Amino acid sequence: SYVLTQTPSVSVAPGQTAKITCGGNSIGTKRVHWYQQRPGQAPVLVVYDDFDRPSGIPERFSGSNSGNTATLTISSVEAGDEADYYCQVWDYNTDHGVFGGGTKLTVL
Amino acid sequence: EVQLVQSGAEVKKPGESLKISCKASGYRFTSYWIAWVRQKPGKGLEWMGTIYPGDSDTKYNSSLQGHVIMSADKSIFTAYLQWSSLKATDTGIYFCAKHHSGRYFDWFDLWGQGTVVTVSS
Repeated sequence: SYVLTQTPSVSVAPGQTAKITCGGNSIGTKRVHWYQQRPGQAPVLVVYDDFDRPSGIPERFSGSNSGNTATLTISSVEAGDEADYYCQVWDYNTDHGVFGGGTKLTVL
Repeated sequence: EVQLVQSGAEVKKPGESLKISCKASGYRFTSYWIAWVRQKPGKGLEWMGTIYPGDSDTKYNSSLQGHVIMSADKSIFTAYLQWSSLKATDTGIYFCAKHHSGRYFDWFDLWGQGTVVTVSS
């Protein structure tokens, strides 16, 4: 089965840039989506199809995907960005949805 | 308003049955796949399966090995997830999530608030 690997935690000071990575075999050939989950809340889509943003998501959130790594970049990090972030793809070989293990973003 | 509203928290004993629901509103229920996603305590998200309410076509995570059944009732715009015999390891939060389009491999653009299921003797 297809596996997505995320760094468990990332810490960044307010106003700095956070990069959250998602590793997978040839993930650059897949469409990657990113979700933000604040404590006690349901996930929210922040980036879809590698780099597109849903309406209402700030431009500070951006995505990229190439080779074996997809990246969610959050610029000018704010306290409200503190949350768990999950990458997700569809594995066409098994017809399964796949989530990464999640990355906890801490704003110092 | 486009939303998914899930049924309330449940506390069950091992071996009991359970059916939780996800009611859709504000969009054409039969035209979009709905997924179920599990989150065990303190853990990450796990895709359980996806159902197309239009014809009840389903795709299951093979790791569940038939332990759950997804269904949908078009007449009341509601999707269901059910167990015939719960285990303690089924404890967790269960989210329903709408796929963006009529394609099951698209992203999840709308989530329910989650249903907390506790299975304990």
